[in-house]
Amino acid sequence: GENVEQHPSTLSVQEGDSAVIKCTYSDSASNYFPWYKQELGKRPQLIIDIRSNVGEKKDQRIAVTLNKTAKHFSLHITETQPEDSAVYFCAEYNNNDMRFGAGTRLTVKP
Amino acid sequence: DGGITQSPKYLFRKEGQNVTLSCEQNLNHDAMYWYRQDPGQGLRLIYYSQIVNDFQKGDIAEGYSVSREKKESFPLTVTSAQKNPTAFYLCASSTQGFRTGELFFGEGSRLTVL
Repeated sequence: GENVEQHPSTLSVQEGDSAVIKCTYSDSASNYFPWYKQELGKRPQLIIDIRSNVGEKKDQRIAVTLNKTAKHFSLHITETQPEDSAVYFCAEYNNNDMRFGAGTRLTVKP
Repeated sequence: DGGITQSPKYLFRKEGQNVTLSCEQNLNHDAMYWYRQDPGQGLRLIYYSQIVNDFQKGDIAEGYSVSREKKESFPLTVTSAQKNPTAFYLCASSTQGFRTGELFFGEGSRLTVL
């Protein structure tokens, strides 16, 4: 299967600003899109996910949007804090196959 | 305290040696997975198992082998046939294969070939 393209590979923002990470996929049959956060030296953990029957989902300061027509989905973090600094991975699921993006290293400067 | 335990955390291997990475979970999850993580790349699937005594190859299975004799355990052997084994290895589990969505990861094992 095709990989998920994730951009940017690195992102640096000032504390309090917003951060947006975008992923593009190719298979229109993909129906589940999770985001994982991996802090330095720690395990990846699911932070939010969205299914193909929903366009947007929010959980406090994080949100994910899905554009099925354009085949892309994005992670939005508002009011960023230093503890948001981590590597973020998007993934897409289709027919028992989950593909991960290459990751985005987010740095939030105090 | 439920979770996934990987060991060892760090491992050094000489060329030509096989090594086995341990992965144990007490979450009562049916499905278990092994991923390889390299800098600048996403997580790539090596092997997965959705039930005891059954497992399937992932995208990069060459040079690796697994077993699933118990529900709790899914060890990965990195054989001498793996040409570039130096990497960070992550084990994960989920309740019903990929369909439930959430993967629970271990803390990883970093393998270095000397």
